[in-house]
Amino acid sequence: DTAVSQTPKYLVTQMGNDKSIKCEQNLGHDTMYWYKQDSKKFLKIMFSYNNKELIINETVPNRFSPKSPDKAHLNLHINSLELGDSAVYFCASSLGTGGYEQYFGPGTRLTVT
Amino acid sequence: RKEVEQDPGPFNVPEGATVAFNCTYSNSASQSFFWYRQDCRKEPKLLMSVYSSGNEDGRFTAQLNRASQYISLLIRDSKLSDSATYLCVVNWAGGYNKLIFGAGTRLAVHP
Repeated sequence: DTAVSQTPKYLVTQMGNDKSIKCEQNLGHDTMYWYKQDSKKFLKIMFSYNNKELIINETVPNRFSPKSPDKAHLNLHINSLELGDSAVYFCASSLGTGGYEQYFGPGTRLTVT
Repeated sequence: RKEVEQDPGPFNVPEGATVAFNCTYSNSASQSFFWYRQDCRKEPKLLMSVYSSGNEDGRFTAQLNRASQYISLLIRDSKLSDSATYLCVVNWAGGYNKLIFGAGTRLAVHP
């Protein structure tokens, strides 16, 4: 059983479109995250939810809107896609917010043309 | 000073070699430390947590020096399958803890 899963794995779209990425974890964790890894391979946190509540929002453009319908799911919707949004987006989860280790999904490779 | 700094490498070593990676962090209040491994085009995977007294997991040994704000990872008897990028990870203590990832050190083990 996959612990943290994401769909889709690849996403190719044009500038200006709106797209969503979905994430699910079956680890029973309370906290979930979205990270962006750009072409320089630097992994940077975007958002974190704890029990469906947004707790970290790292100066991300408001074109990005996360949603957590329940603590096992965290989705990311992106409006008006730009070339600079091309990156790999990783979802992760952890037991809680206290600096616990995080477990990552396989990533979604987004290419904006 | 960057929050977490690592030598980007690459480290090119023969099979069987011992290799060490270092990492420094800037937040003296950090309490949790990890090494992750990331293979090309894959997700980061937890390699090991780093404990104050140092810890070992098979061929891998992690050390923490709080006074110098320094973490290390030692890999003994390198295997071809150890080729990957190793990410030093530190929690950023303050408000809700978040993990800060270093840019990674690339290791290439050759026959």
